[in-house]
Amino acid sequence: AQRVTQPEKLLSVFKGAPVELKCNYSYSGSPELFWYVQYSRQRLQLLLRHISRESIKGFTADLNKGETSFHLKKPFAQEEDSAMYYCALSGAGGTSYGKLTFGQGTILTVHP
Amino acid sequence: DGGITQSPKYLFRKEGQNVTLSCEQNLNHDAMYWYRQDPGQGLRLIYYSQIVNDFQKGDIAEGYSVSREKKESFPLTVTSAQKNPTAFYLCASSMREFVSGANVLTFGAGSRLTVL
Repeated sequence: AQRVTQPEKLLSVFKGAPVELKCNYSYSGSPELFWYVQYSRQRLQLLLRHISRESIKGFTADLNKGETSFHLKKPFAQEEDSAMYYCALSGAGGTSYGKLTFGQGTILTVHP
Repeated sequence: DGGITQSPKYLFRKEGQNVTLSCEQNLNHDAMYWYRQDPGQGLRLIYYSQIVNDFQKGDIAEGYSVSREKKESFPLTVTSAQKNPTAFYLCASSMREFVSGANVLTFGAGSRLTVL
């Protein structure tokens, strides 16, 4: 069975401070990991995926298979980063495609 | 304007009634999905369809039914058998590419169902 855990329901930081949203997963095979974000009054949308190895809006996430983690990081948080963030996992290819397992979500609030 | 349209945005239902939520996409995506979003529980997969006239149960399919008669449409019926139907329902779609795009979901704006 696959599982995604986001231990923090709420996370508050001040503008300019570093931020890290934690995500741990459980999966026996080779996972594909994602971060999705939902800004206020907007649709849930993809932020980044581990296979792209991109930095999106200053955010990065590294897949650590040893620790089974995929934490989302940004060195200097901005007020516009305030949103709900979901970590998600899928088995790579085959019959698993599209079947994402989501974590419980973390509400990030960046204070001015 | 390409995307996914869910309707209605808000819906109220009496206990014992079935209700159908609409989901239409014009992205030419092969796969479509229904997720349920509850506070503190994240998103849970109800049903998904990889191709027209075919669909599979997700993790919490009991009390729900779907159909996929057209590529563009994937309606969800919440039946009276669903014990706790009050929730926010999200429809999504994705490309069929197994290698790169299949797991990148495009979401609708959602439908909030309240059972009175």
